[in-house]
Amino acid sequence: DIQMTQSPSSLSASVGDRVTITCRASQGIRNDLSWYQQKPGKAPKRLIYAASSLQSGVPSRFSGSGSGTEFSLTISSLQPEDFATYYCLQHNNYPRTFGQGTKVEIK
Amino acid sequence: EVQLVQSGAEVKKPGESLKISCKGSGYSFTSDWIGWVRQMPGKGLEWMGFIYPGDSDTRYSPSFQGQVTISADKSITTAYLQWNSLKASDTAMYYCARRTDFDHWGQGTLVTVSS
Repeated sequence: DIQMTQSPSSLSASVGDRVTITCRASQGIRNDLSWYQQKPGKAPKRLIYAASSLQSGVPSRFSGSGSGTEFSLTISSLQPEDFATYYCLQHNNYPRTFGQGTKVEIK
Repeated sequence: EVQLVQSGAEVKKPGESLKISCKGSGYSFTSDWIGWVRQMPGKGLEWMGFIYPGDSDTRYSPSFQGQVTISADKSITTAYLQWNSLKASDTAMYYCARRTDFDHWGQGTLVTVSS
């Protein structure tokens, strides 16, 4: 199985801060990686696909980068509605595996 | 507009059976995989398996193989997740999602198993 190591597991940040979350794959997955945002009591919502492509309708302050084994999600200027938990997913191989999640909290 | 609408919350006793559903609309149901994802209380996301409704090809995570059954009825554009004998540890939110990279998600079905 491909292990996805996501870090940090949580972070505290202020509105306007730049935030970066990383995912490391235990083996190369090309760019077969997506990022999701989940708010309490809601279904996950895809933000980024193919490692760096912005999902339609998602604000441009979200961006993704990486390929192979190292990936990152960046929020350029954190907004109040961005406080949530974020997950990466590799869809290169079976079984599909998610990162452990990063909870972004208000400082 | 792609929509996945899941069946409502369920409360069951250990040992009971259950089948929850996910109805797809707004796209060609037979041309895209549908997957199921478990989220236990306060925990992360776990992939359970996929089905391709066009030919019922099914893939399971080893963690869930033999524990659940995934099926689909393409005539009513609905996918299913089924248990034959529930355990308390099956208590969780279950999501369906389209395609193998989960581009659209259902709203979730909360399953509570308690005696």
